[in-house]
Amino acid sequence: GEDVEQSLFLSVREGDSSVINCTYTDSSSTYLYWYKQEPGAGLQLLTYIFSNMDMKQDQRLTVLLNKKDKHLSLRIADTQTGDSAIYFCAESGSNYQLIWGAGTKLIIKP
Amino acid sequence: NAGVTQTPKFRVLKTGQSMTLLCAQDMNHEYMYWYRQDPGMGLRLIHYSVGEGTTAKGEVPDGYNVSRLKKQNFLLGLESAAPSQTSVYFCASSYRLGSNNEQFFGPGTRLTVL
Repeated sequence: GEDVEQSLFLSVREGDSSVINCTYTDSSSTYLYWYKQEPGAGLQLLTYIFSNMDMKQDQRLTVLLNKKDKHLSLRIADTQTGDSAIYFCAESGSNYQLIWGAGTKLIIKP
Repeated sequence: NAGVTQTPKFRVLKTGQSMTLLCAQDMNHEYMYWYRQDPGMGLRLIHYSVGEGTTAKGEVPDGYNVSRLKKQNFLLGLESAAPSQTSVYFCASSYRLGSNNEQFFGPGTRLTVL
């Protein structure tokens, strides 16, 4: 069945790059998404990538997609304390549903 | 635009009580969703709706009912609350023709069932 997997925690030092990884199973997914959830808030779309792309860059964010391995990653350059959040990977499913990973909590060390 | 709003923000119930969570969106979205979020389990879809007057079951529908009488509103009901329903509930909406299917989320309702 459809499943999206990601590690639950990632700890990085302020100023370093953070790389959050995700694997998915549905090769027919049209879009793959990264959402950010700050403490006590709802989820907000951070970025997304269309399935025919390998890479997408948006300021400090780089998304890499390896369709052969069904692997998606989010790189945050120059990680700041404001990047502390839970990051969710999701893939598009049927009926406009999204298949969600469990979320990776990004912890920033000073 | 207010986006997606949810009421109430917090609620404490006793086992067996009932309540309704209200979600409203002003983006003319066709699709609306109710999720619950529990630690370490990500988001689990409870029910969803693909348009006014329609509802469908998601991954964890038991103990919940929903209604979509108006396009902009999606109600989630708990008829007889149980401690296992203690969670944070998120409403989301999506689908404008030609969009990337992004889901827009409300701020959440934190529900505690004693």
